[in-house]
Amino acid sequence: GAGVSQSPSNKVTEKGKDVELRCDPISGHTALYWYRQSLGQGLEFLIYFQGNSAPDKSGLPSDRFSAERTGGSVSTLTIQRTQQEDSAVYLCASSLRGFGDTEAFFGQGTRLTVV
Amino acid sequence: AQSVAQPEDQVNVAEGNPLTVKCTYSVSGNPYLFWYVQYPNRGLQFLLKYITGDNLVKGSYGFEAEFNKSQTSFHLKKPSALVSDSALYFCAVGGGSNYKLTFGKGTLLTVNP
Repeated sequence: GAGVSQSPSNKVTEKGKDVELRCDPISGHTALYWYRQSLGQGLEFLIYFQGNSAPDKSGLPSDRFSAERTGGSVSTLTIQRTQQEDSAVYLCASSLRGFGDTEAFFGQGTRLTVV
Repeated sequence: AQSVAQPEDQVNVAEGNPLTVKCTYSVSGNPYLFWYVQYPNRGLQFLLKYITGDNLVKGSYGFEAEFNKSQTSFHLKKPSALVSDSALYFCAVGGGSNYKLTFGKGTLLTVNP
């Protein structure tokens, strides 16, 4: 597609349920990022994929969070046993190269609400 | 570890006046610096970047930023602000040892008519 696509755009889930958030990056982009933006807050880094290298998971807030990227393309962020503090907008971005020297293109985000 | 500081949570300017949104960074090695803008209820949009070369870089919508290595700064500027520039602005740094993009907390710019 022309841009980064995220689905769903909105997700309301009950506390304790698992959720999966999907990201389709721009074709040919080797780097993929997940960030979290809470209301009135900045972008919190979660995880970074670069080609076939091991992902940088240093930003994942707990072991309830995991992500994978299949075939170097689509990525899924999974949150298990959701908590109310997980409510936020989850943003995915991709960039052409993974050396931090090319701009990242962002999707519109998934707004997650845990009730 | 690399980091970005945006010391001002909010900046208010009058329409027609020059604006500056401040950013300082910390990274080992050569920095790759970016500015993004987020309009209300919209995604983040790339504004401009510094990779190498001229310290003054020009970007979209009349914005520019100046890379200052000695002060480790990359302030965003515009000579004449518009009300439509009102948005949340993020500075980001890439490069270093792990290549990921690290963002600042953002600065809310309000341009008053």
